[in-house]
Amino acid sequence: EDQVTQSPEALRLQEGESSSLNCSYTVSGLRGLFWYRQDPGKGPEFLFTLYSAGEEKEKERLKATLTKKESFLHITAPKPEDSATYLCAVQPGSSASKIIFGSGTRLSIRP
Amino acid sequence: GAVVSQHPSWVICKSGTSVKIECRSLDFQATTMFWYRQFPKQSLMLMATSNEGSKATYEQGVEKDKFLINHASLTLSTLTVTSAHPEDSSFYICSARAPGAHYNEQFFGPGTRLTVL
Repeated sequence: EDQVTQSPEALRLQEGESSSLNCSYTVSGLRGLFWYRQDPGKGPEFLFTLYSAGEEKEKERLKATLTKKESFLHITAPKPEDSATYLCAVQPGSSASKIIFGSGTRLSIRP
Repeated sequence: GAVVSQHPSWVICKSGTSVKIECRSLDFQATTMFWYRQFPKQSLMLMATSNEGSKATYEQGVEKDKFLINHASLTLSTLTVTSAHPEDSSFYICSARAPGAHYNEQFFGPGTRLTVL
C-alpha cells in the first residue's frame, strides 16, 4: 500500500536554529514528490517538486532533497514567519493524477 | 500564475440544507481539479477528481450522491454538499493541475470552512 510518513509531528525551534523535516515514502514507483506549506485556515502553498533520487531544490531558507526512500526539507536560519505546517505528498507511478499526502509537520519558530 | 480561488471562504448552514462551493482557476484552464477535505490537525484527504466534461471520480468511502461535483468549464468546478449534517463540517479545499505542469503539481485554493448546525 502506498504510504507517506512525516516526522516529527511538531517541531519548535529558536529563530536562527537550523533543522530538517523528514518525509518517508513507500510507493510503487515514484512519479513525483511535492512539498507544500500550509498556514492555519488556508490552502497549501506549493514549494517544490522532486522527481528523482539525488535531486535538490532551494528557495530562500528552504532546501529539499530526495533519496529513493525519503525526502528532507532543510530549513536554514529560520525566522518566525517560517512557522507553518509543512506537507509532503507523493504521486505513485500507478497514478495518472492522484497524490497522497503525509500528515504534516507543524513548525514553530520562536523569536 | 496558477491562482485558484474558492467561494465562499466560509459558510454556516442548518442541518438538512445543501451548500455549493465554487472552485475557479483564475489565470489558466484546468482540465482536472481535485476536491479535498481536512479535519483539524489532520492532513488532506482526497474526496474526488473532477474532469472537465465528464463525471467525477470519487475515492472509496465518499458518497457521490451526497457530494455532487460538476466541472462544466475549464475554469470552474463546484462541490455541492447535499442534505448537510454536522458531521460534514470540515475544511474543504480544491486544487487544479496547472497546464504544462510536470507530472502532477497541484495548486490549491484558499479553502472553504463549512459549519453545519
